[in-house]
Amino acid sequence: GAGVSQSPSNKVTEKGKDVELRCDPISGHTALYWYRQSLGQGLEFLIYFQGNSAPDKSGLPSDRFSAERTGGSVSTLTIQRTQQEDSAVYLCASSKQIGSGNTIYFGEGSWLTVV
Amino acid sequence: AQSVTQLDSQVPVFEEAPVELRCNYSSSVSVYLFWYVQYPNQGLQLLLKYLSGSTLVESINGFEAEFNKSQTSFHLRKPSVHISDTAEYFCAVSWRGGSNYKLTFGKGTLLTVNP
Repeated sequence: GAGVSQSPSNKVTEKGKDVELRCDPISGHTALYWYRQSLGQGLEFLIYFQGNSAPDKSGLPSDRFSAERTGGSVSTLTIQRTQQEDSAVYLCASSKQIGSGNTIYFGEGSWLTVV
Repeated sequence: AQSVTQLDSQVPVFEEAPVELRCNYSSSVSVYLFWYVQYPNQGLQLLLKYLSGSTLVESINGFEAEFNKSQTSFHLRKPSVHISDTAEYFCAVSWRGGSNYKLTFGKGTLLTVNP
């Protein structure tokens, strides 16, 4: 597609339920990132995938959070046993190739509200 | 580890006034520097970036930022702002070289341009 696509755009879930957030990166982009944006907290890095390399999971806040990337394209971020503090905008991004100077393109985010 | 500090969480200005959004970073290694902008109800998009060469970089809509290594700063400026510049602005750094390709963001500065 033309840009990074995320779904759902909005999700309201009950505390304790599991949620899955999907990201479809820009075609041909080998790097994929997940960030979390909370009010007043800026953007918090969660996880990074690059090609077939092991992902950098250093930003995942707890073992309730996991992500996978199938076939080097679509990624799913899963949050198990959701808590109210998980409420945030989850942003997916992709970049064309490896290298920290490359432009990262963001999707519009998935707004998660845990009630 | 690298970190980014955006000194002002909110900056209100009048239309056609100049503006400076401040960004300081700390890192033990050389970095690449970025400014991203998030317009209301939209995703993040790259405004400008410094990779190497001239320390003054410009965007297509009149913003500029100057890399100052001695002061570890990358402040964003515009000589005359428009109502349409109202948005949240994020400064970000990534590690030059190595295998760490994530962007580290500041907490953002909300620029509000008033008529």
